[in-house]
Amino acid sequence: GQNIDQPTEMTATEGAIVQINCTYQTSGFNGLFWYQQHAGEAPTFLSYNVLDGLEEKGRFSSFLSRSKGYSYLLLKELQMKDSASYLCAVRPPFNFGNEKLTFGTGTRLTIIP
Amino acid sequence: DVKVTQSSRYLVKRTGEKVFLECVQDMDHENMFWYRQDPGLGLRLIYFSYDVKMKEKGDIPEGYSVSREKKERFSLILESASTNQTSMYLCASSLSGDQETQYFGPGTRLLVL
Repeated sequence: GQNIDQPTEMTATEGAIVQINCTYQTSGFNGLFWYQQHAGEAPTFLSYNVLDGLEEKGRFSSFLSRSKGYSYLLLKELQMKDSASYLCAVRPPFNFGNEKLTFGTGTRLTIIP
Repeated sequence: DVKVTQSSRYLVKRTGEKVFLECVQDMDHENMFWYRQDPGLGLRLIYFSYDVKMKEKGDIPEGYSVSREKKERFSLILESASTNQTSMYLCASSLSGDQETQYFGPGTRLLVL
């Protein structure tokens, strides 16, 4: 089975840095996705990690440690528009139906001035 | 840009009605998915399809069925709507491949009275 944990809510200040953690216990692993979802809108892709280490994309970075079942999303130079929910999702190993993702419940991030 | 559209943004139905939710994608994606999203529970997979006329149960298929007669269209059917099916329904599509992300539609907020 799959179990994915994220904090429910976080608050951070405009211009600061915030780290959103995701831990997973899954029967197999073949990659981890982060999505951003603004209230009332569809989730949109942020990052994908399959190997250990840090992937940087502008103000957003994502880290993965497969041995620890752990990932984080790092947001720098926070802007008010970064207020959203951030969803962690795990892909199972390649086999029939590996296109499925299992999502965490999401972390609602609020940016304050 | 990939575009995933859903037939309605908001829908109100009565208990026992048959409900059709339509999803169309314009990027020739093999895979299509139906999720429901509820507060505190996150995104949960109802059904997915990896090819025309093919379907697989997700984590919560009970009370739902699907149809994929054409590659670009994936329909979710509630045979007899119940109040516990009040939710946000999200459709997604993707290409096949480990790193391929899912692209989401805008969602249909369904209220069953």
